[in-house]
Amino acid sequence: EPEVTQTPSHQVTQMGQEVILRCVPISNHLYFYWYRQILGQKVEFLVSFYNNEISEKSEIFDDQFSVERPDGSNFTLKIRSTKLEDSAMYFCASSPRLQTVDEQFFGPGTRLTVL
Amino acid sequence: DQQVKQNSPSLSVQEGRISILNCDYTNSMFDYFLWYKKYPAEGPTFLISISSIKDKNEDGRFTVFLNKSAKHLSLHIVPSQPGDSAVYFCAARCHSSASKIIFGSGTRLSIRP
Repeated sequence: EPEVTQTPSHQVTQMGQEVILRCVPISNHLYFYWYRQILGQKVEFLVSFYNNEISEKSEIFDDQFSVERPDGSNFTLKIRSTKLEDSAMYFCASSPRLQTVDEQFFGPGTRLTVL
Repeated sequence: DQQVKQNSPSLSVQEGRISILNCDYTNSMFDYFLWYKKYPAEGPTFLISISSIKDKNEDGRFTVFLNKSAKHLSLHIVPSQPGDSAVYFCAARCHSSASKIIFGSGTRLSIRP
């Protein structure tokens, strides 16, 4: 069964450093998403991406964040200068269509720890 | 942001009995509701959904009920099985947003033998 994969599973970084979280969506999917879950809190929507453009973003997704589809398979989330409060689990998701939210398939997540 | 609320952080149910997970919401613009299941070290997995124009949707052992007047939905699992032990997230989509899902805080369900 096709699945969304994410690397690395755990990333540790120093405050102020740049990090890139990587995701490989399901191959025939066209819409891509990032969510995050701070420990003990809710899963929060960050951004959706389609056709090399951001479709929608939340207020969390400020100028420190960027997304990119650098090639035909990867989808990345970059945090330019990490802060302690960026420590969270980051989930990538993909879907074949936009309107059917129940077709968003989630990856296993990358745990980001900012020291 | 408390638009989707799951007031029970945990629930313990005996195997074979019914599990009922509850969720309340505040935004009347939500048009679609979802339940996700999450195991440790995995991402959320879609379980079942319901449109705001319906009041019930059933899929095997899982049934979701929606009470729009009370802004309340519930997930029933019957009979409960050990593999159902997981964290369950209630989520919703606002009709003005095609892709953004708003999650509740989750309920950890434990099925005891």
